[in-house]
Amino acid sequence: EAGVTQFPSHSVIEKGQTVTLRCDPISGHDNLYWYRRVMGKEIKFLLHFVKESKQDESGMPNNRFLAERTGGTYSTLKVQPAELEDSGVYFCASSQESKGTPRGNEQFFGPGTRLTVL
Amino acid sequence: LAKTTQPISMDSYEGQEVNITCSHNNIATNDYITWYQQFPSQGPRFIIQGYKTKVTNEVASLFIPADRKSSTLSLPRVSLSDTAVYYCLGGDGSSNTGKLIFGQGTTLQVKP
Repeated sequence: EAGVTQFPSHSVIEKGQTVTLRCDPISGHDNLYWYRRVMGKEIKFLLHFVKESKQDESGMPNNRFLAERTGGTYSTLKVQPAELEDSGVYFCASSQESKGTPRGNEQFFGPGTRLTVL
Repeated sequence: LAKTTQPISMDSYEGQEVNITCSHNNIATNDYITWYQQFPSQGPRFIIQGYKTKVTNEVASLFIPADRKSSTLSLPRVSLSDTAVYYCLGGDGSSNTGKLIFGQGTTLQVKP
């Protein structure tokens, strides 16, 4: 079974440019999450989709970030315009279980996209 | 939010049992305690999850006392490949969000 995939693995852009990150979750997983780790900090939650709907976007840092999940399959995270502080590793994760069940906190993470804004 | 506290780093030798303890004094009644493992250049990987008492799987055991204010991840007979960062996660107390809240984790270094 294919795991969560993310594209690209690395992206280097200049301040002010636009970047779009893509995540393909495990087939059949309704839940899709975005997280990120900026330099020296902890992994932080960004948002949560259930199918194509945004369930929780409380972690989105500002309106320069736009996430979509067309048709409830893959998801994109666009940063426009990118700023220096957006540099970090962006992780996507998916799950099928519901919170509160014995494996409800099991999320399958992709390898991440390393974003560098110069 | 359930803040977790765990040692920043630990060292061990191959073949030893490693126990990593995490404190989560304000864990919510409906939250599970979950542990993840992360290797360099990879995303975190789920290890084990429990609510109380003891849970065991093919990778590890998780011990949670009755008051649930702490938990201990036990890795039997570690090998060099167990060198990684281990995260203890509480929850956010909400019943309908699945977001994970990561702390700084414990960097485990296994030596030959």
